[in-house]
Amino acid sequence: GESVGLHLPTLSVQEGDNSIINCAYSNSASDYFIWYKQESGKGPQFIIDIRSNMDKRQGQRVTVLLNKTVKHLSLQIAATQPGDSAVYFCAENSLPGYSSASKIIFGSGTRLSIRP
Amino acid sequence: EAQVTQNPRYLITVTGKKLTVTCSQNMNHEYMSWYRQDPGLGLRQIYYSMNVEVTDKGDVPEGYKVSRKEKRNFPLILESPSPNQTSLYFCASSPGQGKRNYGYTFGSGTRLTVV
Repeated sequence: GESVGLHLPTLSVQEGDNSIINCAYSNSASDYFIWYKQESGKGPQFIIDIRSNMDKRQGQRVTVLLNKTVKHLSLQIAATQPGDSAVYFCAENSLPGYSSASKIIFGSGTRLSIRP
Repeated sequence: EAQVTQNPRYLITVTGKKLTVTCSQNMNHEYMSWYRQDPGLGLRQIYYSMNVEVTDKGDVPEGYKVSRKEKRNFPLILESPSPNQTSLYFCASSPGQGKRNYGYTFGSGTRLTVV
């Protein structure tokens, strides 16, 4: 069935280095992907999204890469800071049909910790 | 400030005692949804609503009810809570009925413990 998952449950990065968080998805019909950040005690927060007609999208210090051939998504965070410590979720937008509500399926998350 | 407000933030209750978790959004969003978050299982959708008086089951609806009498409010009702409903609950909203759910806005969460 459909699934959105993450390669690594935890990632430890030196402050100032770049972070790369990976995600695999299995539904080849999905055409919209989102990354969320969840800090301790808070709800998930939208970071960046990408549509399937793109392979790269950049935001402020973040870049999302999409490889549809291998159904892989990644989030790159440049110059990682202590405030980047959080759990990061990839999410897949699965539109079962235009008469139905689109549905977002979340992966289980990767915890990013920053070493000083 | 545009936001989704959930109450309460924390709740401890006993098995079988009916409870309601409230959710309100001030962005005039049509689409609202409830998720529960459990370790190792991620976010799982309980119920969603495309608009007023339009609700539907998500992936894990058993033991829950919802209502959408007004656009801004989407309460989650547990008629007879059980310990397996101990979880962290999130309400979320987004703009579009029949549109893509770009960028959910999430509430801060409700941590529920059922003993």
